[in-house]
Amino acid sequence: DAGITQSPRHKVTETGTPVTLRCHQTENHRYMYWYRQDPGHGLRLIHYSYGVKDTDKGEVSDGYSVSRSKTEDFLLTLESATSSQTSVYFCAISRGSTYQETQYFGPGTRLLVL
Amino acid sequence: GQQLNQSPQSMFIQEGEDVSMNCTSSSIFNTWLWYKQDPGEGPVLLIALYKAGELTSNGRLTAQFGITRKDSFLNISASIPSDVGIYFCAGHGNTGKLIFGQGTTLQVKP
Repeated sequence: DAGITQSPRHKVTETGTPVTLRCHQTENHRYMYWYRQDPGHGLRLIHYSYGVKDTDKGEVSDGYSVSRSKTEDFLLTLESATSSQTSVYFCAISRGSTYQETQYFGPGTRLLVL
Repeated sequence: GQQLNQSPQSMFIQEGEDVSMNCTSSSIFNTWLWYKQDPGEGPVLLIALYKAGELTSNGRLTAQFGITRKDSFLNISASIPSDVGIYFCAGHGNTGKLIFGQGTTLQVKP
């Protein structure tokens, strides 16, 4: 258990509305990640953070923004949700050094955009 | 970019059988990780491998870091119904980012 919680766990929203997903960790890890999981695509990195106010893009960042104002919280925002953003979203934290890190995942948020 | 090819995509086996799955990469990886995901849950780390040739066990699970550093294998011995789930490999290449395979879905018939 890596002390990661995600909220909400389930969300249904309409196209064009803004949505914010929250990831909270209790172990003071520096690195945090947001992934989306879709059938046939595995886990794909959206954005990640390497410290408070330090974030960078992943491979599927279009349409998403992130913020990290506190070590323990990493927020993912869909500015204007689209049906293609219907997915399961996972937050992760990282332990270990570069090239020897392991990532631990939260329970996920299921998002349906109608 | 670097990609992982995980196979097989799915397996349907009888309880008690052994299972093998693998991941291959077109380039060298420095770390291999194996995860299991139960329905409705996040992936859970099973085994981490950091050295070429390394063989590591976790109960009935055994994973190996290939000598060429381009592949890894996961074996499950004497499968039981609770082994059902999706198994993911992941690895660190020269980008420093963790890259995931597409998963192997395992179903076990009692």
